[in-house]
Amino acid sequence: DSGVTQTPKHLITATGQRVTLRCSPRSGDLSVYWYQQSLDQGLQFLIQYYNGEERAKGNILERFSAQQFPDLHSELNLSSLELGDSALYFCASSPSGVNTGELFFGEGSRLTVL
Amino acid sequence: AQTVTQSQPEMSVQEAETVTLSCTYDTSESNYYLFWYKQPPSRQMILVIRQEAYKQQNATENRFSVNFQKAAKSFSLKISDSQLGDTAMYFCAFMKHFQNTGNQFYFGTGTSLTVIP
Repeated sequence: DSGVTQTPKHLITATGQRVTLRCSPRSGDLSVYWYQQSLDQGLQFLIQYYNGEERAKGNILERFSAQQFPDLHSELNLSSLELGDSALYFCASSPSGVNTGELFFGEGSRLTVL
Repeated sequence: AQTVTQSQPEMSVQEAETVTLSCTYDTSESNYYLFWYKQPPSRQMILVIRQEAYKQQNATENRFSVNFQKAAKSFSLKISDSQLGDTAMYFCAFMKHFQNTGNQFYFGTGTSLTVIP
């Protein structure tokens, strides 16, 4: 158990709909990262939050948005869903100290768009 | 910007044999971390091994070891006595800490390893 919790684990929805994925980082981790992994593909970095503020942005579509709340949990909102958005969405958290490293991954939220 | 390259999309190895997965990276930083993550068919991301750039000694974790060549910017993973459970996608990753943004991670595209019985 990595300590990172993601909900829901599975989600099936239709094109055009909107979904919200939720992530609770490990206790004490200030950084939250979102990644998208399509079938048999690598990890695509979407966005990073650090202590409530957006700090880095990757290849995140304009239809997608995210935020990190004061309690440090994060949500990834996906709207106007398309078939191509079907993927495994990972949340990960990381300690914040200078001499620490490692990314702790949640189990992922598997999104299927029909 | 940092980049991580894994030039072997797929590899296979016989059970009990040794296999080496390659990873190179490009950075102008001197202090950073390198990782190998394993993603088995369950799709869970699991940390295999970690290397701090300031440490010259190569990291080892049981059957897993790395060959870290800082000057060459190379970070290969050696799996000894390969087991069927080692079948997975392996991702190489680079991490740099920034004071105001926390840890930044960069991943390679992955190497799919199949262990053959």
